[in-house]
Amino acid sequence: GENVEQHPSTLSVQEGDSAVIKCTYSDSASNYFPWYKQELGKGPQLIIDIRSNVGEKKDQRIAVTLNKTAKHFSLHITETQPEDSAVYFCAASKGSNYQLIWGAGTKLIIKP
Amino acid sequence: EPEVTQTPSHQVTQMGQEVILRCVPISNHLYFYWYRQILGQKVEFLVSFYNNEISEKSEIFDDQFSVERPDGSNFTLKIRSTKLEDSAMYFCASSDATDGYTFGSGTRLTVV
Repeated sequence: GENVEQHPSTLSVQEGDSAVIKCTYSDSASNYFPWYKQELGKGPQLIIDIRSNVGEKKDQRIAVTLNKTAKHFSLHITETQPEDSAVYFCAASKGSNYQLIWGAGTKLIIKP
Repeated sequence: EPEVTQTPSHQVTQMGQEVILRCVPISNHLYFYWYRQILGQKVEFLVSFYNNEISEKSEIFDDQFSVERPDGSNFTLKIRSTKLEDSAMYFCASSDATDGYTFGSGTRLTVV
């Protein structure tokens, strides 16, 4: 079955710098790759997603890149702000209505 | 913005007792899911539900678990005889199969 690996487990960056979180997946049939942000005491919130027919997607300070050949995808956050501090999860599935297989999460800390 | 609502936010129960976790998905969504997250671990898929029946379930979702959509708005997860290892955050999610999942804020289940 699908397995998703996520790195790093903790990432500390200076406010204003960029943050990059990387994930790899194993099942070539996976074609939907969302990223979720989870703040303390809240449920995961979708921040961006990408489908396998696209290599890159951007939404303001957030971007996701996908390399289907290498089976990896990355989250890029530019000009980080204190409110970006949270746990970020990547996930993969065979479609938006199939189960999500999750990465282990990255705790992002933005230092003022 | 439409939300997925979960109640209660926190449930404490004695081992062996039955619990029902409740969810109100987004009204025009057709796919419903339960996931759980044991403290410090990955988010894990439990079950997906479509057209009034289970469409997919994981190994975790054994005979102790059941789901129901008793009316047009609620989606429930029942654990018949809780065990200590059932202690986790339980997340409900819904999807219209095009825009990805929307998650609720979760129910923290503590089995003592």
